Amino acid sequence: DAMVIQNPRYQVTQFGKPVTLSCSQTLNHNVMYWYQQKSSQAPKLLFHYYDKDFNNEADTPDNFQSRRPNTSFCFLDIRSPGLGDAAMYLCATSRPWASGDPDTQYFGPGTRLTVL
Amino acid sequence: AQKVTQAQTEISVVEKEDVTLDCVYETRDTTYYLFWYKQPPSGELVFLIRRNSFDEQNEISGRYSWNFQKSTSSFNFTITASQVVDSAVYFCALRGSWAAGNKLTFGGGTRVLVKP
Repeated sequence: DAMVIQNPRYQVTQFGKPVTLSCSQTLNHNVMYWYQQKSSQAPKLLFHYYDKDFNNEADTPDNFQSRRPNTSFCFLDIRSPGLGDAAMYLCATSRPWASGDPDTQYFGPGTRLTVL
Repeated sequence: AQKVTQAQTEISVVEKEDVTLDCVYETRDTTYYLFWYKQPPSGELVFLIRRNSFDEQNEISGRYSWNFQKSTSSFNFTITASQVVDSAVYFCALRGSWAAGNKLTFGGGTRVLVKP
């Protein structure tokens, strides 16, 4: 089945130690998103890619970076994780505007990050 | 600016009871899309429904039904004959025009607990 895959599902890192989260998709969608979701809160968009075009949200800290080497993969890099970065990180994809279903975002299972 | 309000933070019901989740939105866009997502304890956001602003027809899918009323800016969701597997957090979300940026605005979520 076509899907959005996130690895690992659980990640533990130490304060200040860089960490990379991975997202891949078999849906062949042009747009990929990264969200941060803290406990009992709604997901918060960090950034998204439209193809290779990177779009950063104004309030996303510089500590968060992203890479998209090809259509299928997207990475979230946290350069120096702080205790406040402990959260669920959700990856999502959507089709481009010109398609018949341009706005529905399909989410992966998430990576739960713990910072010690 | 866009805003989505889910006034109910938590609803607890006994199995087989009906439960209605309220969603009220604000937008200045004339074209917009509304969504409902389910987030079970596993963490994945599961897409349930998308409705565009020009389609006010109510929809039923199995035990789920949605009531879209543009006049009151509401998009309510009803689960009929609830089951334990319906226990989850449900998010209502709004996506405005493409010019407004490719961004979902989420409500705060409503946690539904279905007791056996």
